[in-house]
Amino acid sequence: GAVVSQHPSRVICKSGTSVKIECRSLDFQATTMFWYRQFPKQSLMLMATSNEGSKATYEQGVEKDKFLINHASLTLSTLTVTSAHPEDSSFYICSAKSRGGDTGELFFGEGSRLTVL
Amino acid sequence: AQSVAQPEDQVNVAEGNPLTVKCTYSVSGNPYLFWYVQYPNRGLQFLLKYITGDNLVKGSYGFEAEFNKSQTSFHLKKPSALVSDSALYFCAVTGGSYIPTFGRGTSLIVHP
Repeated sequence: GAVVSQHPSRVICKSGTSVKIECRSLDFQATTMFWYRQFPKQSLMLMATSNEGSKATYEQGVEKDKFLINHASLTLSTLTVTSAHPEDSSFYICSAKSRGGDTGELFFGEGSRLTVL
Repeated sequence: AQSVAQPEDQVNVAEGNPLTVKCTYSVSGNPYLFWYVQYPNRGLQFLLKYITGDNLVKGSYGFEAEFNKSQTSFHLKKPSALVSDSALYFCAVTGGSYIPTFGRGTSLIVHP
């Protein structure tokens, strides 16, 4: 099946610093990638949808300047958490939809656990 | 707007017994329905999907799900549970937007 690689899997940073998380589709072209945030024992909260070569579409309540998303190529999307604070600590998961994948099936990365001290 | 309801936060079942994890949905038009499984500190893994065709869909690890249009349900089932099936299960639906909506998740605990 299609593989999505997410890196890093765990990151610890100091408050005020920025952290970048990468999401790569390894064996397919992902025209659309989604970024989710998951709190403990809760469902996935869609943060934004990114399409290759265009600006990301953010969900209501998600700060664009806080969570910078770039989808520069058909195989890479990045999420940068800027000026991180402890409340940004969470599990972030990316997923990708392949080109021509019009049934909505998503391929997920393994997630990145961010801890802000 | 599309939505998914997983009415049970947790399902407990003894190993070897059949299991059911419930899911109902609401969507405009034809639904595309999915089940994913998440193990601790991991991403989601695809289990199965219903797009069209037979209402009974078979997926990975012996799981299956039945699409019931009249009841707008897509319950996940397995005839004989394993302890290793213990995980968090998510139901998802997409409609015309092709952006999936996920349920809140159901924690399945299989007791030895």
